[in-house]
Amino acid sequence: GNSVTQMEGPVTLSEEAFLTINCTYTATGYPSLFWYVQYPGEGLQLLLKATKADDKGSNKGFEATYRKETTSFHLEKGSVQVSDSAVYFCALYSGGGADGLTFGKGTHLIIQP
Amino acid sequence: DAGVIQSPRHEVTEMGQEVTLRCKLISGHNSLFWYRQTMMRGLELLIYFNNNVPIDDSGMPEDRFSAKMPNASFSTLKIQPSEPRDSAVYFCAAGSQTGRNEKLFFGSGTQLSVL
Repeated sequence: GNSVTQMEGPVTLSEEAFLTINCTYTATGYPSLFWYVQYPGEGLQLLLKATKADDKGSNKGFEATYRKETTSFHLEKGSVQVSDSAVYFCALYSGGGADGLTFGKGTHLIIQP
Repeated sequence: DAGVIQSPRHEVTEMGQEVTLRCKLISGHNSLFWYRQTMMRGLELLIYFNNNVPIDDSGMPEDRFSAKMPNASFSTLKIQPSEPRDSAVYFCAAGSQTGRNEKLFFGSGTQLSVL
């Protein structure tokens, strides 16, 4: 079956630091890959996505590249802000409705001023 | 996302009571998901509807849980009787399956506390 593995948190960084949140996956076929963000007290929101190998998704200064050879989709940002503090979920979709949608357990990111 | 409205935002109840969580969809979507989120288990899929029809309810923990989707814009998740271990945040999410993208729009969640 499909699975998504994320680095466990919390991850605590100072403002303007470089961020990497690791995500690796196992899936049949060629899944689409996503990063969702959950701010305190809210539901998940789609942050960025990539649908095929070597695609780079980007949004709000965040980037992630679909690496099929390493089955990874690591999230990066060059300079984080306090407002980036949230829980970040890596996810994949391999088709077939709900069975094909798999979320990681989430990584809690804390940015200190 | 404004397209998915959940109510109530917070629910505090006593063990044994019936709890009904509601989800209203403003925009048209062809799939709806109920998730439960806890610190211990993360995000768990409870049930999935496609075109108002329950497709997969294997994630529903027990017979105490039931979900309905009487029309394309409304769904309920009911717990009867509720237990303290049901305390969690429950999310409704709407999806539009377009090719290789199952993009989800999440509601703000219902924080359930069963005492």
